[in-house]
Amino acid sequence: EVQLVDSGGGLVQPGGSLRLSCAASGFTFSNFGMTWVRQAPGKGLEWVSSISGSGGSTYYADSVKGRFTISRDNSKNMLYVQMNGLRVEDTAIYYCAKSYSGTWTRGFDYWGQGTQVTVSS
Amino acid sequence: DIQMTQSPSFVSASIGDRVMITCRASQGISNWLAWYQQKPGKAPKFLIYGASSLQSGVPARFSGSGSGTDFTLTITSLQPEDFATYYCQQATRFPLTFGGGTKVEIK
Repeated sequence: EVQLVDSGGGLVQPGGSLRLSCAASGFTFSNFGMTWVRQAPGKGLEWVSSISGSGGSTYYADSVKGRFTISRDNSKNMLYVQMNGLRVEDTAIYYCAKSYSGTWTRGFDYWGQGTQVTVSS
Repeated sequence: DIQMTQSPSFVSASIGDRVMITCRASQGISNWLAWYQQKPGKAPKFLIYGASSLQSGVPARFSGSGSGTDFTLTITSLQPEDFATYYCQQATRFPLTFGGGTKVEIK
């Protein structure tokens, strides 16, 4: 059974840092791209960042480029996002998601339960 | 960036009704479109990929259609568990983008 477990969220002051983690199980992790999607309170879904199965390709939304870094450890079946320079507008639930296929073209078939990030002074 | 516009943003419907939600892309995306269902406090659930292919385990009352720029999610015979918010997502190029969502509520 595929399972994604998000962790690492919390309350942080503006300008602070957090590292989110996503523990994956139930599939061959290195064969699939992984993605972070966020949802601000009462708002819709926003794509944040994606990484290829090998980790060799990474992609970022303009809103987080230069501040967030996505990475993965295929030996541990773990996905991460290091978030620096956090802003109030980064407040959201962050979900990790697994690509349905080896490419990005089919959407995301499994999602973590989400972890809350709150940026506030 | 490819903008995804969903309509309506809100629909009020009764059990047994047919509901149609449309999603329009600002440029052609072939059939690289996915649909998700999200209930309050829960992660999104994958419904449809490739614009019209039903994910395993999703009830057959859900269907998707369209290609290019115009897409539709149809729910025939709405069930109590279908009241939720639905999102489309283009999967053709980065940045990946979602529609604004359509909330289906009980009339």
